[in-house]
Amino acid sequence: SAVISQKPSRDICQRGTSLTIQCQVDSQVTMMFWYRQQPGQSLTLIATANQGSEATYESGFVIDKFPISRPNLTFSTLTVSNMSPEDSSIYLCSVLLAGVGGNEQFFGPGTRLTVL
Amino acid sequence: GQQLNQSPQSMFIQEGEDVSMNCTSSSIFNTWLWYKQDPGEGPVLLIALYKAGELTSNGRLTAQFGITRKDSFLNISASIPSDVGIYFCAGALFQGAQKLVFGQGTRLTINP
Repeated sequence: SAVISQKPSRDICQRGTSLTIQCQVDSQVTMMFWYRQQPGQSLTLIATANQGSEATYESGFVIDKFPISRPNLTFSTLTVSNMSPEDSSIYLCSVLLAGVGGNEQFFGPGTRLTVL
Repeated sequence: GQQLNQSPQSMFIQEGEDVSMNCTSSSIFNTWLWYKQDPGEGPVLLIALYKAGELTSNGRLTAQFGITRKDSFLNISASIPSDVGIYFCAGALFQGAQKLVFGQGTRLTINP
């Protein structure tokens, strides 16, 4: 497994502002992912962030709204830009690791964002 | 986006009872993962399945990868209070896009 930390753990922000969420992993990983979990809902993939390449965004998510950086193999950031109350969610980073039988995906503790 | 059909959505059981939940998909997956999420935490991986028909246990938890590769179930035996939480299934091809598709979750509540 991997130890994944996220900063901040939670924040309350005003609409129109931006928040950058950091994800730190205790080992080098090629593939990192950013998810959104709206209140009471399941997880939805925002984008895949591989070191050395541009992030790949899922349908409904765009780089201008959710810019992502992946400067090295242990770190990534997700920015939620020009926030509105609809952006209130838990944002989770995850990493892909090779397990005994195959690939496994591990999650960070999440960042709980409230937009007023 | 695409989601798996996970059922039941919620369960209310007595401590000591067994629990069963399942996920179905219209797509074939190479990998099924089961997670548990506690309030205020990220999902924690419980069991990973990689082969059709595979049956894997982790303590009181048992999960199976359906033969058709379109479904999986998770059983919890002799439930205890710390089993309370939301359980998610996730399917993946782990080829190419390496993306996970999540079920809607099963919220487990246990009456002592």
